[in-house]
Amino acid sequence: AQSVTQPDIHITVSEGASLELRCNYSYGATPYLFWYVQSPGQGLQLLLKYFSGDTLVQGIKGFEAEFKRSQSSFNLRKPSVHWSDAAEYFCAVYGYGNKLVFGAGTILRVKS
Amino acid sequence: GAGVSQSPSNKVTEKGKDVELRCDPISGHTALYWYRQSLGQGLEFLIYFQGNSAPDKSGLPSDRFSAERTGGSVSTLTIQRTQQEDSAVYLCASSLGGGNTDTQYFGPGTRLTVL
Repeated sequence: AQSVTQPDIHITVSEGASLELRCNYSYGATPYLFWYVQSPGQGLQLLLKYFSGDTLVQGIKGFEAEFKRSQSSFNLRKPSVHWSDAAEYFCAVYGYGNKLVFGAGTILRVKS
Repeated sequence: GAGVSQSPSNKVTEKGKDVELRCDPISGHTALYWYRQSLGQGLEFLIYFQGNSAPDKSGLPSDRFSAERTGGSVSTLTIQRTQQEDSAVYLCASSLGGGNTDTQYFGPGTRLTVL
């Protein structure tokens, strides 16, 4: 069965520092991968997605992610974090039956 | 344009009561999904609609949960005889066609608290 693992429950970074959030997936076929962000009390907002083609995808708010098939990973990166990036981040893969399978999420805290 | 809307935003109910949660998808989106977000279980898929049909109900946790969609638009998730373990945020999403290359757009959710 398909699954997504986000190894880090919490991450704290200083404002202006770089960020990498890890995501590993398990899926038998070509994965369709997503990163969503959720601010407190809000729904999920799509940051970026990977379907095929270039393995480095650009998203909104300066985020990017790199698909590495050999490592079954889809890590999210940002070169310089802003205080407004503090939120919870979810990696997801499209599973069988058109449903999204989510990781447990990573809570990002930003130190000023 | 307007995004996915959900109502109510918050619902507090007593154990044993029935509740209805509503989702208004993005206009023109044929696919609609319900997910549940709870502390212990994370984000879980509940049900998927294509038009008014639900080809995948596999995520509904018990027969107390049901959902319908009318006119290919609004959907209602009903929980009968609510239990405390039903307390969660219920998220609705819609996508243009329901294919696995279609992005799902999420609403703000309904926070359900069962006392």
